[in-house]
Amino acid sequence: SFVLTQAPSVSVAPGQTARISCGGDNVGSKSVHWYQQRPGQAPVLVVHDDTVRPSGIPERFSGSNSGNTAFLTISRVEAGDEADYYCQVWESSSQVVLFGGGTKLTV
Amino acid sequence: EVRLVESGGVVVQPGGSLRLSCEASGFPFNDYAMHWLRQVPGKGLEWVSFITWDALSTYYTQSVKGRFTVSRDDSKNSLYLQMNALRPDDSAVYFCAKEMGGSGTQPIDHWGQGTLVTVSS
Repeated sequence: SFVLTQAPSVSVAPGQTARISCGGDNVGSKSVHWYQQRPGQAPVLVVHDDTVRPSGIPERFSGSNSGNTAFLTISRVEAGDEADYYCQVWESSSQVVLFGGGTKLTV
Repeated sequence: EVRLVESGGVVVQPGGSLRLSCEASGFPFNDYAMHWLRQVPGKGLEWVSFITWDALSTYYTQSVKGRFTVSRDDSKNSLYLQMNALRPDDSAVYFCAKEMGGSGTQPIDHWGQGTLVTVSS
């Protein structure tokens, strides 16, 4: 069955760029969505369909997806970006919504 | 403003039943697919189920098939999750969520704050 693999943690200094990966077999053929979840809060959609940023999400958040890896890139990282980040796809062959295990971003 | 408010989470014994509800407002409820997801505190997100905009199709994660049933009442702008034969590993915060489309396959753009279900004797 299809699996999305994320590194458990990423650490970055304020002002630097964070790159969070989401690996899966030919994930580039699927639409990947990214969610931010701050402690004690519900998730928030930050990028959908690989590269689309919802209204209200800063331009510092961007996404890419090719081959076996999708990325969420956060430029000029701020303390407020510290959160868990999850990638998600619709797996059409098994008709399930799949999440990666999540990456904890530490700033 | 989109608002999703879950209710019904309680402590229940293994083998018991529970019905979660989600009251929606701020958008045309009958146009959108709706999802249930869950999260064990401190762990990752897990999708549980969704129902399409027209209620003609429902989908479930394997571990809840045959035990959970998702439904909606568009006249009440409400989503439900009937949970039977509950097991300790069903314990989690359950989120109601709206997706961007009606099919169940689109991104989830709004989440409720969640309701805690604890399955324990």
